[in-house]
Amino acid sequence: KNQVEQSPQSLIILEGKNCTLQCNYTVSPFSNLRWYKQDTGRGPVSLTIMTFSENTKSNGRYTATLDADTKQSSLHITASQLSDSASYICVVSAAPRTGGYNKLIFGAGTRLAVHP
Amino acid sequence: NAGVTQTPKFQVLKTGQSMTLQCAQDMNHNSMYWYRQDPGMGLRLIYYSASEGTTDKGEVPNGYNVSRLNKREFSLRLESAAPSQTSVYFCASSELRGYEAFFGQGTRLTVV
Repeated sequence: KNQVEQSPQSLIILEGKNCTLQCNYTVSPFSNLRWYKQDTGRGPVSLTIMTFSENTKSNGRYTATLDADTKQSSLHITASQLSDSASYICVVSAAPRTGGYNKLIFGAGTRLAVHP
Repeated sequence: NAGVTQTPKFQVLKTGQSMTLQCAQDMNHNSMYWYRQDPGMGLRLIYYSASEGTTDKGEVPNGYNVSRLNKREFSLRLESAAPSQTSVYFCASSELRGYEAFFGQGTRLTVV
């Protein structure tokens, strides 16, 4: 069964500190992996996308890693800001086995709170 | 450029009432989706429309119907609302199915 599991469920850090969020998946065949940021009361917004051949990708203070062998991804946030307070959702795209379309499998998200 | 626009943002229904959630996108995307988001769970696909003129069931279609009115608009209808349908509903669109999805702001629906 295709699944995406994220940890921790929630996290509190102080402003200026770094943190790392984890995503483990059992999705096959794997197509790509995205990290989304969801502010309270808003829809998710894509931060980064990673394909099978990519190990690391950065978007400002956000750095995503992917280990396709162990089926793990992480999102590292450097020098956190109050505006980083949000839920971070890992989404894995499963390629169709026989024609058709990719299917998106969503993790439940990690709720990050950055305190001053 | 508004992206994906959903209406209404909030709604309270009584059990058995019906309503339609509206969604429109201005990015000329082919694919559109309706998801629901419940506490502690990932977004779950209710219905999708891979292209104008087609609709298909997702993971949790029971109790819902959809209409792809044209390329821009994709509506979700609850014919007889139930408390189990209390959730936050998101409409999304993408250039093609499986590509990056762009989400609306969500509709918070409460069924009492």
